[in-house]
Amino acid sequence: EAGVAQSPRYKIIEKRQSVAFWCNPISGHATLYWYQQILGQGPKLLIQFQNNGVVDDSQLPKDRFSAERLKGVDSTLKIQPAKLEDSAVYLCASSRLVGRMYEQFFGPGTRLTVL
Amino acid sequence: KQEVTQIPAALSVPEGENLVLNCSFTDSAIYNLQWFRQDPGKGLTSLLLIQSSQREQTSGRLNASLDKSSGRSTLYIAASQPGDSATYLCAVPRVSEKLVFGKGTKLTVNP
Repeated sequence: EAGVAQSPRYKIIEKRQSVAFWCNPISGHATLYWYQQILGQGPKLLIQFQNNGVVDDSQLPKDRFSAERLKGVDSTLKIQPAKLEDSAVYLCASSRLVGRMYEQFFGPGTRLTVL
Repeated sequence: KQEVTQIPAALSVPEGENLVLNCSFTDSAIYNLQWFRQDPGKGLTSLLLIQSSQREQTSGRLNASLDKSSGRSTLYIAASQPGDSATYLCAVPRVSEKLVFGKGTKLTVNP
């Protein structure tokens, strides 16, 4: 079974520029998540999709971050314009139902550096 | 608000030693608890998932326990190896399966 795919793996941009990340979840996983992990911290959920609908985006900075999952499969996360504090690893995950619980599987992440 | 704390933040041990990583959470009304491993520059790998009705889960040299009443979980690693060196994260779900993570314990196993 192929895992969660993300691209690019690394991105370096200057502040105020725009950037987009792509995620392809595990086949058949209806739920997709985007997390932000700042160095030395645990991941923080930015947005959660169930199929192509948003379940939770309460911690997404909507003035600069946007995400979509148009066909309920792949997803993109965009930052426009980027700030220095956006430097982090952006992790995508998808989940499957195990009994009555959801087990999440993570991609390798995209490391963003904003200069 | 659920908060997850992991102690210690970093741990260095000689190869072959048995060790315990600790995780505590403030809200005991959880569905499950998940332990992950993160290698430098990599994503998270799920190690063990403990359901709220279980007290422990085992996978190879790893054993995770869960005590909901005290808000604690431990990850026991037997006979540690240099390949176990990584950051270990625990996470508990909030509503909508949203995971709340601790900051992790960075483990170094010295040959």
